[in-house]
Amino acid sequence: EAQVTQNPRYLITVTGKKLTVTCSQNMNHEYMSWYRQDPGLGLRQIYYSMNVEVTDKGDVPEGYKVSRKEKRNFPLILESPSPNQTSLYFCASRGGLLGNTEAFFGQGTRLTVV
Amino acid sequence: AQKITQTQPGMFVQEKEAVTLDCTYDTSDQSYGLFWYKQPSSGEMIFLIYQGSYDEQNATEGRYSLNFQKARKSANLVISASQLGDSAMYFCAMRRTNTGNQFYFGTGTSLTVIP
Repeated sequence: EAQVTQNPRYLITVTGKKLTVTCSQNMNHEYMSWYRQDPGLGLRQIYYSMNVEVTDKGDVPEGYKVSRKEKRNFPLILESPSPNQTSLYFCASRGGLLGNTEAFFGQGTRLTVV
Repeated sequence: AQKITQTQPGMFVQEKEAVTLDCTYDTSDQSYGLFWYKQPSSGEMIFLIYQGSYDEQNATEGRYSLNFQKARKSANLVISASQLGDSAMYFCAMRRTNTGNQFYFGTGTSLTVIP
């Protein structure tokens, strides 16, 4: 089954404790990206990657890091989480160069930083 | 700057009636794609429909159709014969074709279908 898998689904952590949210896709997609969803703000792109070892900032990259060492994986790293990073996070992937290919989303990770 | 605007925070529709969810976008690009996603209360994002900026016909997918008015920069979603399972958040999004995976989302519209 084609899917994007995020882990964990729920995470509560303390300020300053480094964490990683994993994302893996089994569709051999070139493009992967991370979003955060906040009430009243919709989804905002954090980082995206067009292929292995190619990453770029989205609209809200501050406080986040990513890496793309393998095509299937695109982890999101919070080196020193803060309460304003409490949010619902989505990983997404899409393949091909055509504009009509939709993004496939993971199930989401609800992060709470206290 | 690219921007997606959804002006209806919440909408109600009677079961079996049609409903239109508004979306306007702002871009100077000539080539772009427009998408609608559904987010039920369970949280996942479900792709509904796509419209390319060069497509002359409005996209349709089952009960979903996209009313694309390029000159007005609008891409409204029309859901026909609403069902209770259509109750969800709906997001309009735009993808810039020339910059790979840059997606821009609106703030969403919460649709409630009334029995």
